[in-house]
Amino acid sequence: AQKVTQAQTEISVVEKEDVTLDCVYETRDTTYYLFWYKQPPSGELVFLIRRNSFDEQNEISGRYSWNFQKSTSSFNFTITASQVVDSAVYFCALSERGFKTIFGAGTRLFVKA
Amino acid sequence: DADVTQTPRNRITKTGKRIMLECSQTKGHDRMYWYRQDPGLGLRLIYYSFDVKDINKGEISDGYSVSRQAQAKFSLSLESAIPNQTALYFCATSDAGQGATGELFFGEGSRLTVL
Repeated sequence: AQKVTQAQTEISVVEKEDVTLDCVYETRDTTYYLFWYKQPPSGELVFLIRRNSFDEQNEISGRYSWNFQKSTSSFNFTITASQVVDSAVYFCALSERGFKTIFGAGTRLFVKA
Repeated sequence: DADVTQTPRNRITKTGKRIMLECSQTKGHDRMYWYRQDPGLGLRLIYYSFDVKDINKGEISDGYSVSRQAQAKFSLSLESAIPNQTALYFCATSDAGQGATGELFFGEGSRLTVL
């Protein structure tokens, strides 16, 4: 069965600090997709990144980077030089073969000025 | 206009009332989903539909029913609402086919309060 664990419920940092959000997943499938979504205080869900199980290459997009390691079933998300606008709830999600997607419980990030 | 539209956006109702949340999409996706968000629990899947004739239960379907009226429309009903169904509800769509990844496109959410 598929499962996503985000052990960090809340994280609080001061602006300009780096912060890493952890995500550990479980799946029996060899073909799967991993996602991160952001939910700012306004409530909408914003897609950030998708990774497929055959591509372990890490990705960087501006201040955001993602580290995918199949050996540890982890897909961690790092924000470098955090900003107040990064304050949000972040969800990690897993889809087996592109079918139904399940989510972790989310990590609430507070970035203080 | 939003690609995935949910109505109503906010609703307050009383215990025992029947409530319907509606979702329509213009993305042309075959797959549609209803999720429920509660603080600390993330998004949990209620029902999903891979085409008009296909309806599947998710993790927490008890107390809910759905109707897929057309490819573009997927409604969620609470036959007799209870207070612990107070939550934020999201409709989502995803593409199907060989290239499908499960990436979801969300509506703006419907906040339901059951008194």
